[in-house]
Amino acid sequence: AQRVTQPEKLLSVFKGAPVELKCNYSYSGSPELFWYVQYSRQRLQLLLRHISRESIKGFTADLNKGETSFHLKKPFAQEEDSAMYYCALSNFGNEKLTFGTGTRLTIIP
Amino acid sequence: DAGVTQSPTHLIKTRGQQVTLRCSPKSGHDTVSWYQQALGQGPQFIFQYYEEEERQRGNFPDRFSGHQFPNYSSELNVNALLLGDSALYLCASSPGDRLGGYTFGSGTRLTVV
Repeated sequence: AQRVTQPEKLLSVFKGAPVELKCNYSYSGSPELFWYVQYSRQRLQLLLRHISRESIKGFTADLNKGETSFHLKKPFAQEEDSAMYYCALSNFGNEKLTFGTGTRLTIIP
Repeated sequence: DAGVTQSPTHLIKTRGQQVTLRCSPKSGHDTVSWYQQALGQGPQFIFQYYEEEERQRGNFPDRFSGHQFPNYSSELNVNALLLGDSALYLCASSPGDRLGGYTFGSGTRLTVV
């Protein structure tokens, strides 16, 4: 069965400090990994996906198949990064998404 | 483009009742998926519709059913409501080419009393 684990429910980081949100997964096969973000009073939106290898709003995530991880990183946190972050995986493209329980990131001014 | 629109935004129902939630996909999207998000949890996949057929289904009982119309809009129906069905129900649309990724709606908050 596929599973996504986000070990931190809450994470507080000072502005300007590095951020790392952890995500581990279990899946038999080659999954597609995503990070979704939900800002206050906004809808869930795609932050980045591993196949596009983009850096969005300064965030990057590298798929480590050996460690089955897809941690989200940003070198210098900004106040506007405060949000709920969900890691998710799917089999391919727009197949069903399996989400983790999310990490609430708070940036301390 | 209004993106994905869901109605109603909030709903209160009594145990045992039936409910219908509605979703209009983003323009150009033909695939609609439904998710249930309980408090403090990540969204859980209910089912996906494409070409008016249920293409995939998650681990939800038959009380949960859906429909997709020729204009790609979709409904989620839940029969015999239980207290545990109280959640945020999210609709997500995607293009049929499976490359564009999901666009989520704001959700319908269902409370069962």
